[in-house]
Amino acid sequence: DVKVTQSSRYLVKRTGEKVFLECVQDMDHENMFWYRQDPGLGLRLIYFSYDVKMKEKGDIPEGYSVSREKKERFSLILESASTNQTSMYLCASSHLRDRAHEQYFGPGTRLTVT
Amino acid sequence: TQLLEQSPQFLSIQEGENLTVYCNSSSVFSSLQWYRQEPGEGPVLLVTVVTGGEVKKLKRLTFQFGDARKDSSLHITAAQPGDTGLYLCAGGPGGFKTIFGAGTRLFVKA
Repeated sequence: DVKVTQSSRYLVKRTGEKVFLECVQDMDHENMFWYRQDPGLGLRLIYFSYDVKMKEKGDIPEGYSVSREKKERFSLILESASTNQTSMYLCASSHLRDRAHEQYFGPGTRLTVT
Repeated sequence: TQLLEQSPQFLSIQEGENLTVYCNSSSVFSSLQWYRQEPGEGPVLLVTVVTGGEVKKLKRLTFQFGDARKDSSLHITAAQPGDTGLYLCAGGPGGFKTIFGAGTRLFVKA
């Protein structure tokens, strides 16, 4: 079974703090994604990566950055957390370009910024 | 902009009833996925449909891809409380970016 793990299930941070969310997948998938999920807005893509050290902006990259130094690990960084970044953050991975849409998700990190 | 519209947004039914949820678009998709998400968890991939007119079954769940590959449906027979969750359809024209529908929230009462 594909396993995608995220470093924290729940996180509470203060405004202005730098926040790191880590994601690890164990299936040798090429593609990795970061989404946020908010009521009424659905899943929105923040960033994705199709290879080590490669990254592409998604639909809402502002206020976020990412890092992919190893194939299995994709990190999301909030440079200076703000209250409007309170959300559920979901990491996903998928295999190869032609199956990019078959994504395997981690359990999510519920981030609260106070 | 490609969109996937799901209906209904919310469905509350009794155990044993049948239901169908829909996923529609004005655009053609190369493939379409269905996911189920339980509260506090990430979405779990249920199925992928690729060919127009394709029908796939997963126990009591039947998935169909429209002939023109613009729409899909999910039919659940004899729903059970364990079917409760948010059902998401998703897909893309190709490439890496996936479009997600807003979801149908299903609640099955015992």
